[in-house]
Amino acid sequence: DGGITQSPKYLFRKEGQNVTLSCEQNLNHDAMYWYRQDPGQGLRLIYYSQIVNDFQKGDIAEGYSVSREKKESFPLTVTSAQKNPTAFYLCASTRGQGTFSGNTIYFGEGSWLTVV
Amino acid sequence: AQTVTQSQPEMSVQEAETVTLSCTYDTSESDYYLFWYKQPPSRQMILVIRQEAYKQQNATENRFSVNFQKAAKSFSLKISDSQLGDAAMYFCAYRKVQGAQKLVFGQGTRLTINP
Repeated sequence: DGGITQSPKYLFRKEGQNVTLSCEQNLNHDAMYWYRQDPGQGLRLIYYSQIVNDFQKGDIAEGYSVSREKKESFPLTVTSAQKNPTAFYLCASTRGQGTFSGNTIYFGEGSWLTVV
Repeated sequence: AQTVTQSQPEMSVQEAETVTLSCTYDTSESDYYLFWYKQPPSRQMILVIRQEAYKQQNATENRFSVNFQKAAKSFSLKISDSQLGDAAMYFCAYRKVQGAQKLVFGQGTRLTINP
């Protein structure tokens, strides 16, 4: 089945550690996104990529890094510079640009990251 | 920058009744898309309904419909015949047609269905 797969579902990070969240899609989508959700809050954009080997910062990129070496993969690294990383992380993708194409953004099931 | 505002942090409705969730947005664009997403306790984001700004007709999907008022920049969601499975967080979202294809979300409304 086509979809977006995020792993791991639950991840624990020690202080000072970098951790990487995986996001893979087999929908042949061009654009991919990472959002962060804090309890009781909406989603905030961390990074997005509209094409392979290119990505842009979102609203809260500090302390995070990404890569887009393959169309189907968009991993997110939470670095030690991110002071409050405990949150729910959602990966999303969409076909790409197109006037009135109405491309819907689809989401993975998310990953929980906790600092211990 | 575009912003989306949901002024109702929580709403509740009796099962089988109708409830309306409010959403306003701010943009200088003339062409854009608006969405309502549902997030149940599983945290999966589920698309409920979508509206293209160039369409005057309000979108409907079974028991879900929107009231899109472009001049007022308002995009409310009406849920008819509410069911227990409708209980969730509901997020309103905005997306430009041109340029960066990213969703801007509101803060969400938690909907409770009373049996």
